[in-house]
Amino acid sequence: GDSVTQMEGPVTLSEEAFLTINCTYTATGYPSLFWYVQYPGEGLQLLLKATKADDKGSNKGFEATYRKETTSFHLEKGSVQVSDSAVYFCALSESGGSNYKLTFGKGTLLTVNP
Amino acid sequence: GAGVSQTPSNKVTEKGKYVELRCDPISGHTALYWYRQSLGQGPEFLIYFQGTGAADDSGLPNDRFFAVRPEGSVSTLKIQRTERGDSAVYLCASSKGGSSYNSPLHFGNGTRLTVT
Repeated sequence: GDSVTQMEGPVTLSEEAFLTINCTYTATGYPSLFWYVQYPGEGLQLLLKATKADDKGSNKGFEATYRKETTSFHLEKGSVQVSDSAVYFCALSESGGSNYKLTFGKGTLLTVNP
Repeated sequence: GAGVSQTPSNKVTEKGKYVELRCDPISGHTALYWYRQSLGQGPEFLIYFQGTGAADDSGLPNDRFFAVRPEGSVSTLKIQRTERGDSAVYLCASSKGGSSYNSPLHFGNGTRLTVT
């Protein structure tokens, strides 16, 4: 079945550091790919998404590019802030009849120190 | 506007007891989802409603778990004869329906269930 593998956490960075959180996936067909974020005390919310090869999703300074050749969707940000401290989840959905269903990775806890 | 509301936020119950977890979706959202997040894991799909009917309940782990959405709005997840392994955060989400790409899911804060 479909699966998502995320970089093990936790990740601790200083403010303004560069962030990469790795994500690879296994799926049949052409899944859509997502990053969701969970800030402390809040529900999961969509951060960015991409639906086909070489698409780049971006939001709030975060970016991720859909790489079909390496089955990856790594999350990057050039300069993190303390307010980016959260748990980040990579996820996919199938392209077929079950495209409403998300398969998540285990999540990566990011802590940004001032 | 109001987001997805889940009650209670925390529930502690004894092994063998029955529990109900409630979800109030965003008004106008026809699709509703339940996910379960165990410690150290990502959310796992349980069930999907489109309107009043369960369109996909393939993620329910066994017949102790059941969910309803009688009027196409509020949903209740019901767990019978709870076991310690049921301890997890139960997440509810809603959307306008269709693919998760075109209709992003909006998640509630979850109900943390602890079975002692």
